[in-house]
Amino acid sequence: QKEVEQNSGPLSVPEGAIASLNCTYSDRGSQSFFWYRQYSGKSPELIMFIYSNGDKEDGRFTAQLNKASQYVSLLIRDSQPSDSATYLCAVNVLPEGAQKLVFGQGTRLTINP
Amino acid sequence: EPEVTQTPSHQVTQMGQEVILRCVPISNHLYFYWYRQILGQKVEFLVSFYNNEISEKSEIFDDQFSVERPDGSNFTLKIRSTKLEDSAMYFCASSVDREGGYTFGSGTRLTVV
Repeated sequence: QKEVEQNSGPLSVPEGAIASLNCTYSDRGSQSFFWYRQYSGKSPELIMFIYSNGDKEDGRFTAQLNKASQYVSLLIRDSQPSDSATYLCAVNVLPEGAQKLVFGQGTRLTINP
Repeated sequence: EPEVTQTPSHQVTQMGQEVILRCVPISNHLYFYWYRQILGQKVEFLVSFYNNEISEKSEIFDDQFSVERPDGSNFTLKIRSTKLEDSAMYFCASSVDREGGYTFGSGTRLTVV
């Protein structure tokens, strides 16, 4: 069974600080990794994806991938109250063809004004 | 911004009845997916669809489930004989390729009574 693990939180961060969200995965062959944001009662919304070891930055968001440690993280700089949501880590477990994403249980993030 | 449209937003059905959940993916997308999320649980993969056929399905996607792309725009999920445990939020998603992330629809909340 291919698993994706996240700390369910809640993670509480003051406004303006950096929020750090972590995820580990079990399938060493996985090649692509995704972060989604899900507001309560809403659908997941793609934040960013990463394939290569290292960092990938997009605005206030930075994804970090370490395939040797099977670890992926998301940093949110200058956190805003609107960033309060559940953050889902997802891993594509298929090497070819259409994607099949395995999701973690999500980390609930609260940004305190 | 293009979006994935799902109807209905909420469906209540009696156990044993058939339901059809409808989705209109983004027009230039080639890959189509159904996921579901039972309340408070992880987002789970059901099926992927590419080139007019199922490319991958999960163990959840048994003989009670089927998908169809009856025309150039709609993508449907049929549950033949609903069970109480089918109650969940069902998300349709699409992507233009297999590298990037998905765009999810807003979901259909299915309640089986």
